[in-house]
Order: sequence, then C-alpha cells, then structure tokens
Amino acid sequence: GEDVEQSLFLSVREGDSSVINCTYTDSSSTYLYWYKQEPGAGLQLLTYIFSNMDMKQDQRLTVLLNKKDKHLSLRIADTQTGDSAIYFCAESRSGGYQKVTFGTGTKLQVIP
Amino acid sequence: DTAVSQTPKYLVTQMGNDKSIKCEQNLGHDTMYWYKQDSKKFLKIMFSYNNKELIINETVPNRFSPKSPDKAHLNLHINSLELGDSAVYFCASRGPLNYGYTFGSGTRLTVV
Repeated sequence: GEDVEQSLFLSVREGDSSVINCTYTDSSSTYLYWYKQEPGAGLQLLTYIFSNMDMKQDQRLTVLLNKKDKHLSLRIADTQTGDSAIYFCAESRSGGYQKVTFGTGTKLQVIP
Repeated sequence: DTAVSQTPKYLVTQMGNDKSIKCEQNLGHDTMYWYKQDSKKFLKIMFSYNNKELIINETVPNRFSPKSPDKAHLNLHINSLELGDSAVYFCASRGPLNYGYTFGSGTRLTVV
C-alpha cells in the first residue's frame, strides 16, 4: 500500500531556511501536498504540486519533487517563529474518489 | 464563514458509552472524510462519503458507524467506546479538482 515517510523533528533558527523532506512509495501518486498543523488546530493546506512538475514556488515556500526517487521537499525561506508547527506531506492518485495518504509529520521548531 | 465545522470540540466520556461527533461543511463539496489522529500525530483515514454514498471504508471496528444525511453533513457514531478510541477525530471535505482537503478543527475524544 501507500507509505509516506518524514523525519520527526527539525529545529532551525529564526531567519534561516528550513527544509522538510518526505519520501513516498506509490509510483502512481499524482498530487503531492504539504499541510501545516498548528497546536490544537486542524490541518491547513499550504501548497500542492502535480507529479509532472519539478518545482513550485509560492512566496516563502518552495516545493521540489524528484519523481524518480519519490522524494518531495518543502523549503521555507526566512523561517519565522509563526512557522513553528507540524508539517505533513501527503499524496493521492488522480481519478475517482482517491483518498489522501498522509506522512508521519515533521515538527518544526523555530528558535528565536 | 465558509468552513468545515465539527462539534463538539472536546468530548470526555466513560468506557462503554455511545457518542456521536457531527460535521458540516458549507463549501459545496461533494466528498467528506473522517480521519483519526493518534497521540503520535499519525493520521489515518476511516471513512469517506461522496454525495451521501459511502466510498471508502478502511479497516475500522464496526463500532464506528458514519452517517451522511446529505452531502453537507457527515456524522460519526461510536458505540461501546474503548480506551484506545481516545484520539483527535478530523472531518474534512474535498472539492472536485483534487486540490487537497479542507479540514475541520478536530474533536478531541478522551475515553476514561
């Protein structure tokens, strides 16, 4: 079945860049997502990328996709304390009623 | 406000009780989901409905029964609650373009 893996924890200093990595196993994944979960809240969709893309940039966020290695990364430029949260990588196939499979989540701690 | 709303936000109950969690979305989405997030933040899909029809039913004890009276509502009823049911339950909805979910803020269920 589908499997999505992430490292559990990342600590960075305010102002530095953060890079959160994700690997997935489903070669049929068509949509890849990054979600952010702040304490006590639901998950918020940050950005997504189609599997036929290599990169997507959205303000401070850059998503890189290596489809051959099934590796996805999220780079946050100029990381702020408000970026402290758990970040989930997720994937789904296209067509029909495809479920979204989430990674294990990476807790990002931003040190002032 | 357009949103996915869940009630209650917190639920503390004794083992053996029966409880329900309600979810409503006003986004006009056809597809709704229930996810369970355990203490390690791992998210696992439980059920999905598309326009009142059950389309995903993962390996979940049959003490859990979803019900969708219309496409804007998806409720979750749990019979004979067990300690292991303690978790945060998230409702989500998804539009037709596969561009990720919109999540509710979660229901923290504690079984004592």
